[in-house]
Amino acid sequence: GAVVSQHPSWVICKSGTSVKIECRSLDFQATTMFWYRQFPKQSLMLMATSNEGSKATYEQGVEKDKFLINHASLTLSTLTVTSAHPEDSSFYICSADGGGYTFGSGTRLTVV
Amino acid sequence: GENVEQHPSTLSVQEGDSAVIKCTYSDSASNYFPWYKQELGKRPQLIIDIRSNVGEKKDQRIAVTLNKTAKHFSLHITETQPEDSAVYFCAAFPYNQGGKLIFGQGTELSVKP
Repeated sequence: GAVVSQHPSWVICKSGTSVKIECRSLDFQATTMFWYRQFPKQSLMLMATSNEGSKATYEQGVEKDKFLINHASLTLSTLTVTSAHPEDSSFYICSADGGGYTFGSGTRLTVV
Repeated sequence: GENVEQHPSTLSVQEGDSAVIKCTYSDSASNYFPWYKQELGKRPQLIIDIRSNVGEKKDQRIAVTLNKTAKHFSLHITETQPEDSAVYFCAAFPYNQGGKLIFGQGTELSVKP
């Protein structure tokens, strides 16, 4: 079946630094990928829709200048959390439609 | 846009009993309804799904029902086992919103041996 690879699986960074998370579709091409954020004991909240070759579409309330999304190829989307702060600590997870919604393994971000 | 409500938020059952989780949706454009199981720190795993042209679907101990008129769908787990303990999410897919999947709030299921 379709596989989505996400890296890193966990990262700890200092407040004020930036972190990049990669999401790759391994055996299919994905013109669209989705980025979600999940706080402890909460649901998956859609942050943005990543479109290959064009600008991402952000959900209401998500700062596009803070969460930079790049989808430069049909198999790779990246999410960069810029100037991270402790409140950005969360579980970030991507997904793509490879004949069904397939999720990456998620990235646990901790900002200290 | 689509809004998905899920109940209950927590559910505790004895091993062997049945568990039922219910969801409602608001947008009649939604035509696909998957259910996911998520264990702590891991990705959601699809366990069953149903499309709007079907009223019920079953896969061994798991079944899903859909009532399009009332805009609600339910997950039924029979003969529950301790390994069924996890958080379960329902979701709705509105066909006219660019491929987004909208999730319910989640249900933490605990199966006591």
